[in-house]
Amino acid sequence: KQEVTQIPAALSVPEGENLVLNCSFTDSAIYNLQWFRQDPGKGLTSLLLIQSSQREQTSGRLNASLDKSSGRSTLYIAASQPGDSATYLCAVPRDNYGQNFVFGPGTRLSVLP
Amino acid sequence: EAGVTQFPSHSVIEKGQTVTLRCDPISGHDNLYWYRRVMGKEIKFLLHFVKESKQDESGMPNNRFLAERTGGTYSTLKVQPAELEDSGVYFCASSQDWPMNSYEQYFGPGTRLTVT
Repeated sequence: KQEVTQIPAALSVPEGENLVLNCSFTDSAIYNLQWFRQDPGKGLTSLLLIQSSQREQTSGRLNASLDKSSGRSTLYIAASQPGDSATYLCAVPRDNYGQNFVFGPGTRLSVLP
Repeated sequence: EAGVTQFPSHSVIEKGQTVTLRCDPISGHDNLYWYRRVMGKEIKFLLHFVKESKQDESGMPNNRFLAERTGGTYSTLKVQPAELEDSGVYFCASSQDWPMNSYEQYFGPGTRLTVT
């Protein structure tokens, strides 16, 4: 059974810092992993999708890496800004066939001005 | 291009009543998913449509929940009769089949259901 954990549960940093969010999953037979952000009362915004054949993806100040063998992914945010404050979620498919995502509990990020 | 839309944004009903949630996926997306988050828990998968067919409904909690996707476009999720534990936020997502094995999911804003 696929289980996803995220560390830390919450993080507060001053503006400008670089930070790393961690995601771990138990079943490494996945074909992709997706990172989302959720603002309070809003839906999920897709940040990055990493295919199983890739090791990392970049979008602007965001960089996500994937290590399937160890069941880990990290989301690196460079030069954090107050607008980055949100909850960050990672999700992986339940198995290597289905598309139904298993979500982690999220990391609540606060970037202080 | 319009994103995934959901209606209503918020619904408050009494226990035992019926509620129908609607989701309009991104145009051209054959895959449509329903998820929900109940208070204090992670987002959980409910079911997955490919066009009008149910590909996976393993996450549906019980037979009080009925999902349909007639014509392979929008989808509805009906809860009948609603129970207190059904309260939560119901999300819809959609994805397309290409590029191959991409399946990047795009989520709607969610419907907040409150059962009193």
